[in-house]
Order: sequence, then structure tokens, then C-alpha cells
Amino acid sequence: DADVTQTPRNRITKTGKRIMLECSQTKGHDRMYWYRQDPGLGLRLIYYSFDVKDINKGEISDGYSVSRQAQAKFSLSLESAIPNQTALYFCATSDLASDSTDTQYFGPGTRLTVL
Amino acid sequence: ELKVEQNPLFLSMQEGKNYTIYCNYSTTSDRLYWYRQDPGKSLESLFVLLSNGAVKQEGRLMASLDTKARLSTLHITAAVHDLSATYFCAAAGGTSYGKLTFGQGTILTVHP
Repeated sequence: DADVTQTPRNRITKTGKRIMLECSQTKGHDRMYWYRQDPGLGLRLIYYSFDVKDINKGEISDGYSVSRQAQAKFSLSLESAIPNQTALYFCATSDLASDSTDTQYFGPGTRLTVL
Repeated sequence: ELKVEQNPLFLSMQEGKNYTIYCNYSTTSDRLYWYRQDPGKSLESLFVLLSNGAVKQEGRLMASLDTKARLSTLHITAAVHDLSATYFCAAAGGTSYGKLTFGQGTILTVHP
């Protein structure tokens, strides 16, 4: 089984709809992240969480919200989806306590299309 | 604000040739990461560079870090088709410790 899973893997929705993307991990990592990938822009950080009680905005948090339901689960919500939120979304995890390099491990991605 | 720039953004190579991808970052960073992404796939960690002068090698790929120049390089030796992928560098550190800022990615295509 994959260490970092994301659901759904693909989603098509309409403008104005509320969407939730979910991320689960079995790595036991404390830190979790949400990124979006757009062609030519690399990955940009949306939100990150260093533990269950810690949530921080990233570079591009407007229009998004997150929930850290447990150490293993980190969800990203689009409250009212708009077309320019069409992108590939990645969840990642890391654990500085057990790995001094703090390397991030990425999930398989969710391809979201907003019409 | 930390900014990371890669060049080139597109690289078409012949098998057997050598080339280097450059990654410049704008402010002090205490660690530099390289990732690989195959088409339609997730990101795979390649290297982590933690100090000035650090060099890591795996197969035909070698990464290095010069913190004084704020530059990391990914050198490809005797390219093979299997190395075709998108390569990202990402920097972390300073006030953004734990957060990564990614470069735009370099799309590498290796031709026979």
C-alpha cells in the first residue's frame, strides 16, 4: 500500500461548488503539506501543518482552507471553486524528528478541473 | 522572500551526452532538494544537500551545492533515455524553515 494516498485522483466540478480533497498517510509523519502544480510554475505551497494543532498559510492560500483531522489526515477544501483553481494538487509529508533532512514525500496527486 | 529559478526550463539531449541543470535561489537557505517527476506521476526525492560544498551522486546524476553563490547544480553524465523526466529543485530555510520553495522545473528529454 502507498504511504501517502490522495482521494479523489481526478475530479471535474463546476464553478461555485465546494470541493474537498483528502490526504492520508501511514508514514507516521508529523508534518503535512498541500501544494498545487501548474505548468511552468513548479509547485506552490498552499497550506502546511507541523502537527495536529498547527496550521499555517503558504504562498497561495486565498480561496482554500484546510483541516488536520488527525496526525494521519489533512484535507484541503475549495469553498467556492473557480476555473483558475484547475490544477494538479499534491499532498506531502515529512518528519523532522526522525529525519534531519526533513525530506518531503509526495502523494500521487489529484487532478482537479473546474469548469 | 525566497525565490528559486532553474535553467534551462527545457533540455533536449542526445544519449551519451553530458549536461548541467542550474538552480539559483535568492536568499539564504540551509537545505536544497532535488526531485524527479515522470509524466503523470508524483515527485520522487533524488538528493538533499545540507551544507556548502555538499556533493551527492546516484548513478548518472550528481548534485552539488554552493551556498555562497546560492547555486545548486544537477549534472547528468552520459544521458540515457530513462532519465527523461521533469527535474525540480527546491530550497528551504531562513524564516521559511520547513517550507519548500520550488523552481519552475526542467523538462529533460533524452533522444537516441
